[in-house]
Parts: sequence; structure tokens; C-alpha cells
Amino acid sequence: GAVVSQHPSWVICKSGTSVKIECRSLDFQATTMFWYRQFPKQSLMLMATSNEGSKATYEQGVEKDKFLINHASLTLSTLTVTSAHPEDSSFYICSALSPARVRIETQYFGPGTRLLVL
Amino acid sequence: KQEVTQIPAALSVPEGENLVLNCSFTDSAIYNLQWFRQDPGKGLTSLLLIQSSQREQTSGRLNASLDKSSGRSTLYIAASQPGDSATYLCAPPNSGNTPLVFGKGTRLSVIA
Repeated sequence: GAVVSQHPSWVICKSGTSVKIECRSLDFQATTMFWYRQFPKQSLMLMATSNEGSKATYEQGVEKDKFLINHASLTLSTLTVTSAHPEDSSFYICSALSPARVRIETQYFGPGTRLLVL
Repeated sequence: KQEVTQIPAALSVPEGENLVLNCSFTDSAIYNLQWFRQDPGKGLTSLLLIQSSQREQTSGRLNASLDKSSGRSTLYIAASQPGDSATYLCAPPNSGNTPLVFGKGTRLSVIA
């Protein structure tokens, strides 16, 4: 199957700093990528849809000025958590939407980035 | 907006048992549905993808069925093994194709 990478896999930072997470589709071009967040023992919740060359679409309750998304190329989307606070500590997972192959498009998921804000 | 419910929330079984995990969803206008596995502290592993034109999909000891009209999907695991212990997530799309919406999962423990 298709491969999606995320970097870094782990990050620990001090409160108030900004953290950038990269999501790359390694073997296909993705015009659309998704960012999910998962708190401990909770389900994955969609944060935003990232579209190459245009502004991201954020889900209700997600602050667009706090979670900056840039999808500058067909293989890379970045999520920047600005002025991170302990409540932003979570598991962030990206997903890239592959082009339609056998009639359907498929989401391929990255391995996730665990963020701990002290 | 799609809502996904998975039952049971947790399940503990002895090794060798066959088991069924249930998923229900509210919006049946979907093109496909996926089942994933998530190990503690890890990312997602895709298990099965069922297209709306299919009623079921099989991979090894796993079999997933889809009944769009009733908004239900089941994941059947045959001859369970301790290595099957994980959280199993059902994920239909919000509508049509994407993005995927996740249930809270069923946490499975298979005891040797």
C-alpha cells in the first residue's frame, strides 16, 4: 500500500513554544490531506482538511490561528501548533488521500506524532 | 454529520475463540468503510476496506461485513490469538468517500 510519513514521531516542548509536524506522502501526490488528533483513550477526531494550494478547512471547535496548516506541495502538509500548552498534548495523525484508482479514493495514514507539552 | 458507535467497548476472551465486533453508523450514504487496528501508543494499521458494492471482505482470519441499509458493519475474528490484542476501530467516511470518521473502538484482549 501507499506510504505516508510523519516527522517527528515524538516531541517534548516547553509551554509557549511552537511545534511543527510534517506529513509526507512518499509514493503518490495528495491534493488533500487530513489532520486528526487523539487524546488518551479517546477516538481520533478530525481537526482539519488540508488542500494543496488553498486554505485549510477546520472542524468546529479547532482554532485555526493556533493550529496552522500549510499544504505547499502535493507531497507535504505541515501542522504547526503555535504557543503550545499542556492541554495540546496529544497524538497527532495525518492522512493523505490517494488519487482515485479503482473508482474510490483511499486515505492512507501516517504513523503519528506524540506531542508532550510541559 | 456521521456518528459511529462501536460495541462492545472492551472485550476479553480466551485464545482460540471466534468473536464479533459491531459497528453502527448514522449516515448510510457512504462509498466504503474501513476497519483499523491500533496497538497501544501506536498509529493505525488498515485491516479491511469494504466498498459499498460489496457485502463483505476477507483477509486471513478477519472478515468484515457491511449492511449500508441498516447502517451496520461487523468485524469477525476467527480463532483469536494473543497477538490480536489491540483496539479495533471502525471508520466510515463522513459522507460519500472522505474524510473518515472514527468510532471509539473496541479494546480486545485475547488471553493465552
